[in-house]
Amino acid sequence: LAKTTQPISMDSYEGQEVNITCSHNNIATNDYITWYQQFPSQGPRFIIQGYKTKVTNEVASLFIPADRKSSTLSLPRVSLSDTAVYYCLVAEMDSSYKLIFGSGTRLLVRP
Amino acid sequence: EAGVTQFPSHSVIEKGQTVTLRCDPISGHDNLYWYRRVMGKEIKFLLHFVKESKQDESGMPNNRFLAERTGGTYSTLKVQPAELEDSGVYFCASSHGLAAYNEQFFGPGTRLTVL
Repeated sequence: LAKTTQPISMDSYEGQEVNITCSHNNIATNDYITWYQQFPSQGPRFIIQGYKTKVTNEVASLFIPADRKSSTLSLPRVSLSDTAVYYCLVAEMDSSYKLIFGSGTRLLVRP
Repeated sequence: EAGVTQFPSHSVIEKGQTVTLRCDPISGHDNLYWYRRVMGKEIKFLLHFVKESKQDESGMPNNRFLAERTGGTYSTLKVQPAELEDSGVYFCASSHGLAAYNEQFFGPGTRLTVL
């Protein structure tokens, strides 16, 4: 069971780049690293996923070092609407691939 | 394409009553998951269906909770009898494939309040 650790909260301003780092020291060889975003009164929403090195999509980038014991979610030029809770997850590698949620990082973007 | 839908959005019941939550996954998604967040805690896995079969029930808290997925389409989660500690938000998610890299699509959740 790969437990993840990430900061409880972060503050930023509009237009800045935000980097949220997550540690997962016990990640298994076949585990993927996934980030979800959650707004109040909504379910979590998939942002990005990766196995190693760097992954980029239209929303974010994910940086994973060679040892895969940590990962960094990078949000370029955040806006007020990026205020949300961000979860770093490692899919449980059993028959279910259930998601194991931690406390997440509460990101507040200020004007 | 319609997303995962859940009904009702809110439910307020008294201790000892029964409540049934419904989840409609994305069409064609064989995998359906139930999660919940109770007050002040993290989102926790409850169970996983593959089509109509329960693949993993390891997160179900006790036998007051019963989940079904008749015909492999929508799913229901019944709590009977409800207790105060069952209050929280119940999320349903679905995915197309079964692998670590398969995105799970979450519904908006059902907020359950037990008085």
